[in-house]
Amino acid sequence: DAGITQSPRHKVTETGTPVTLRCHQTENHRYMYWYRQDPGHGLRLIHYSYGVKDTDKGEVSDGYSVSRSKTEDFLLTLESATSSQTSVYFCAISSAQITDTQYFGPGTRLTVL
Amino acid sequence: SQKIEQNSEALNIQEGKTATLTCNYTNYSPAYLQWYRQDPGRGPVFLLLIRENEKEKRKERLKVTFDTTLKQSLFHITASQPADSATYLCALDIPGNKLVFGAGTILRVKS
Repeated sequence: DAGITQSPRHKVTETGTPVTLRCHQTENHRYMYWYRQDPGHGLRLIHYSYGVKDTDKGEVSDGYSVSRSKTEDFLLTLESATSSQTSVYFCAISSAQITDTQYFGPGTRLTVL
Repeated sequence: SQKIEQNSEALNIQEGKTATLTCNYTNYSPAYLQWYRQDPGRGPVFLLLIRENEKEKRKERLKVTFDTTLKQSLFHITASQPADSATYLCALDIPGNKLVFGAGTILRVKS
């Protein structure tokens, strides 16, 4: 998985609780992304980062926030988890332009009860 | 907004045959298009990228075509094997320098 790890790999939480997912890369790539994948919808971009402390919203950013304090780490926070945020979350990285080939992490399966 | 259509039904083929997967898009014409493979429980893996000025790209048993007039890309796997069974996603760039992914097509190769 191209030097990308995600933690945790699985998480079950309750509605209303905050949740933070972590993505860590060892490739020193500039761009990092968070996607969610749901049946019938494919991968949808939540947020992305184009450098340390530089982030922007994607297609489905409501209810999510991100932070990137170091090149290698990109955190995704669900401020108050809802059942509609039950999904598989993937982190991805790319080296140059935002639309260059992306390398994906193994995913985090999140269940919100 | 950009809409990408991939066959929602699984494609079942016999080992040794050529599998052909389709990716259709509407609205904005992308500068290039990518294909990824995804196995159950894992993240997508990049396979091929084709640019708008390229009609065809090959890599081993894989071939991708890109028809900007039809707004369609075809992904071919020749001499398919059971190990090729997976979900295949297409992705293309949209204004704002982002990638948009299709929902993917499941390929099942039976021996």
